[in-house]
Amino acid sequence: NAGVTQTPKFRILKIGQSMTLQCAQDMNHNYMYWYRQDPGMGLKLIYYSVGAGITDKGEVPNGYNVSRSTTEDFPLRLELAAPSQTSVYFCASSYLFEGPRGNEQFFGPGTRLTVL
Amino acid sequence: GENVEQHPSTLSVQEGDSAVIKCTYSDSASNYFPWYKQELGKRPQLIIDIRSNVGEKKDQRIAVTLNKTAKHFSLHITETQPEDSAVYFCAAPPSGGSYIPTFGRGTSLIVHP
Repeated sequence: NAGVTQTPKFRILKIGQSMTLQCAQDMNHNYMYWYRQDPGMGLKLIYYSVGAGITDKGEVPNGYNVSRSTTEDFPLRLELAAPSQTSVYFCASSYLFEGPRGNEQFFGPGTRLTVL
Repeated sequence: GENVEQHPSTLSVQEGDSAVIKCTYSDSASNYFPWYKQELGKRPQLIIDIRSNVGEKKDQRIAVTLNKTAKHFSLHITETQPEDSAVYFCAAPPSGGSYIPTFGRGTSLIVHP
C-alpha cells in the first residue's frame, strides 16, 4: 500500500492564483482531513470528510474548498491565493474516527506552499 | 468539543535522561489517546497509543500512561537519544457529536548529545 499520497511536494504561487492540492489514500479509509501547519506551530484543521459526498468545515476553512467524489481522493482547492496561505499542508485519513472510539490518523508527506 | 492541553511546549534534556510530556483532556467519555512524532520537515507519525481499558502501555523506550480520573495522559521516553529530537503531539478523539479530533499544540523535544 502507498498509504496517503500528496502532490505536489512544493509549489510557489503568485498572489491571486489558484491551485488544487491532490490527496489520495489506498487504505479504504472513510475519514479524510486537511490540515495546515505554519512554521513552528501545531496542526489546524481546514476541512474534513466522513465519506464520499460528505464534507464539512474545520477550524480555518476560509479561502479553501474541498470535494470528495470517491473514497480514495480528497482534493483541496485554493482560490485567489494570499500570502497568509503560505504553509505546509497535510492530508490525513483514518478508518474510523467516530465519537470516543478514535483510531490512528495516517498523514501524507505534505505539500509546502509559498504564496508571493 | 474536546479541549486538549499539552505541556511543556519545549523540553530540553541531555542524552540518556528521561523526558515526560503531559496532556489533559476534558471529555470523560474519550477512550483513545495517541501520540504522534513529527521530525523536522516530515509528516506526523503515530508512535504509541492507548485505550481507556488499560492504564499503561510500553514499547521499548517509550510508554504512555493514562489517568482517567484526573483526565490526563503522558508520554514517557527513557534513555533519550539525539534521534528522539522532534515535535510530539498528543490527540484526543472527537466528542459531543463532533467528527473532529483535537490535537495538542505540540512539544518540541531537544536531546543534547
